[in-house]
Amino acid sequence: GDSVTQMEGPVTLSEEAFLTINCTYTATGYPSLFWYVQYPGEGLQLLLKATKADDKGSNKGFEATYRKETTSFHLEKGSVQVSDSAVYFCALGAGGSQGNLIFGKGTKLSVKP
Amino acid sequence: GAVVSQHPSWVICKSGTSVKIECRSLDFQATTMFWYRQFPKQSLMLMATSNEGSKATYEQGVEKDKFLINHASLTLSTLTVTSAHPEDSSFYICSAAPGGAPNYGYTFGSGTRLTVV
Repeated sequence: GDSVTQMEGPVTLSEEAFLTINCTYTATGYPSLFWYVQYPGEGLQLLLKATKADDKGSNKGFEATYRKETTSFHLEKGSVQVSDSAVYFCALGAGGSQGNLIFGKGTKLSVKP
Repeated sequence: GAVVSQHPSWVICKSGTSVKIECRSLDFQATTMFWYRQFPKQSLMLMATSNEGSKATYEQGVEKDKFLINHASLTLSTLTVTSAHPEDSSFYICSAAPGGAPNYGYTFGSGTRLTVV
């Protein structure tokens, strides 16, 4: 079945460091791909998405490119801030017009001043 | 933008009692809503898909008699944890797709922290 594999954390970076969180997927067809962010004690917020191959999603300085050839959707940010500290989830749409999301295990990011 | 409101945000209940969690789509209609459960430091696991006007579809291993789902209108789905026990303590999150299709992204409620004592 469909699945998402996400690099394990936690990831600890200094402020202004470069961030990469790897995400690969297994799916039939061409799913939409998402990155969600969860701040402590809160629900999930959509960070960015891509709906087809070679699409680049971007938001708040974060970027991810839908790579069909490598089945990847790695999250990157050039310069992280303390406020970026959160848990990041990679997810794919399970298909169909009302399909659910399949999540990776999440990667906790801590950014130190 | 599309908003999903979830209530309550946290609840503490005694073992053996039932707890109802509400999930409302505030500015769109949702024929389908999803209920997830998240254990500490773990990912979200889909519990069930809530369908307006029909029975929910439960994932394997989820007890439908314990986690009652009612989707009586296009803007409201409820999850009732019946006869709660400490092992039911978890973070429950609902979501819906405003555009009715995964491509438009899903909106999540803010979650409900359930603690059973």
